[in-house]
Amino acid sequence: GIQVEQSPPDLILQEGANSTLRCNFSDSVNNLQWFHQNPWGQLINLFYIPSGTKQNGRLSATTVATERYSLLYISSSQTTDSGVYFCAVFRYTNAGKSTFGDGTTLTVKP
Amino acid sequence: EAGVAQSPRYKIIEKRQSVAFWCNPISGHATLYWYQQILGQGPKLLIQFQNNGVVDDSQLPKDRFSAERLKGVDSTLKIQPAKLEDSAVYLCASSPPGRRLSSGANVLTFGAGSRLTVL
Repeated sequence: GIQVEQSPPDLILQEGANSTLRCNFSDSVNNLQWFHQNPWGQLINLFYIPSGTKQNGRLSATTVATERYSLLYISSSQTTDSGVYFCAVFRYTNAGKSTFGDGTTLTVKP
Repeated sequence: EAGVAQSPRYKIIEKRQSVAFWCNPISGHATLYWYQQILGQGPKLLIQFQNNGVVDDSQLPKDRFSAERLKGVDSTLKIQPAKLEDSAVYLCASSPPGRRLSSGANVLTFGAGSRLTVL
């Protein structure tokens, strides 16, 4: 099956710093989503981004499908950004089967 | 719109006992997913329903896990008998119908999860 690798596994930042999270996938995909899992375990959809670039406030994401990677940018980080960020890919050829990476754990210190 | 509802939020059982989790997806969402998330890992898909039919259950341990989605709405995931390694959070998600990217197909919305501890 398709492999999804996220890096770095852990990231510690001071409040106000910027960061880039990466998601590599081993085969072509039909779409890709980024999620944030808060400290209470709730998964929140951040971006639905099969290709191109999207921005939402301090967050933006870019997917280069031909090179099989996606990047999530967090600017001016805040303590509330702490949590685990997951990338998930979908392939319609596998009946919409989804595969998640193991996440990047972000800690933003005040 | 109301979100994805799951219950119970927490469950503690002893090994070899049985447990059931319930999920009510967002109204109108044709696709329903059950994931297992073990501590420190990403969610792993157990089963995916399209309406009340199974689309993918290739990673469901069918000797002990079962799931159903009656009438294409609510779903129940059952584990019998439970093992220690089943301790995890069981997440339910739903997505709108269709395969066109513009329709938001496969844009998942998750419930809060059900945390299972097997002693």
